[in-house]
Amino acid sequence: AQSVTQLGSHVSVSEGALVLLRCNYSSSVPPYLFWYVQYPNQGLQLLLKYTSAATLVKGINGFEAEFKKSETSFHLTKPSAHMSDAAEYFCAVSVPTGTASKLTFGTGTRLQVTL
Amino acid sequence: GAGVSQSPSNKVTEKGKDVELRCDPISGHTALYWYRQSLGQGLEFLIYFQGNSAPDKSGLPSDRFSAERTGGSVSTLTIQRTQQEDSAVYLCASSFWGARETQYFGPGTRLLVL
Repeated sequence: AQSVTQLGSHVSVSEGALVLLRCNYSSSVPPYLFWYVQYPNQGLQLLLKYTSAATLVKGINGFEAEFKKSETSFHLTKPSAHMSDAAEYFCAVSVPTGTASKLTFGTGTRLQVTL
Repeated sequence: GAGVSQSPSNKVTEKGKDVELRCDPISGHTALYWYRQSLGQGLEFLIYFQGNSAPDKSGLPSDRFSAERTGGSVSTLTIQRTQQEDSAVYLCASSFWGARETQYFGPGTRLLVL
């Protein structure tokens, strides 16, 4: 079975500072990895995904993540935080079986951006 | 284009009642997923449908939960004899055929069982 660990349930950064949200995964087979963002009272929106192509993945809103197999990590970064980045972020893993894949999510990290 | 829609957006029910939650996927998407988001359990997979294949029900927490998908499009999640621990946000997602495909989520149905 696969699992995801997100270190830090709350992260606070100043506007303009680096954003780093940590995600480590466990999987017995090569996984697919995802970062989703959730704004209050909304559904989840995909930021980026790794599906065994390039290990450095660029997503929307200036976010990127690097798949590091040796560290079983998929940390999310953004060089300069903006107030609009304040939200909850979820890392997810899937082990594709067949033609669909169910996601296993981490517990989420709430990002606060301060002036 | 239109995204995934869910109805109702909020549902308050009494313990022991049955509830039905509806999901309209994005047109053309063959896969449909249900997830549950609760304070105690976080985000957890419930069930998915892929085309005409038998659904994967491995995440359903009890036999009080069931789901169907009619005509390969709209899906209904039914919870019978609701319990207080069923209170959560129920999220639906859909995607194109293929395990690499992005799942697009609806806004969810917030269920409160009194």
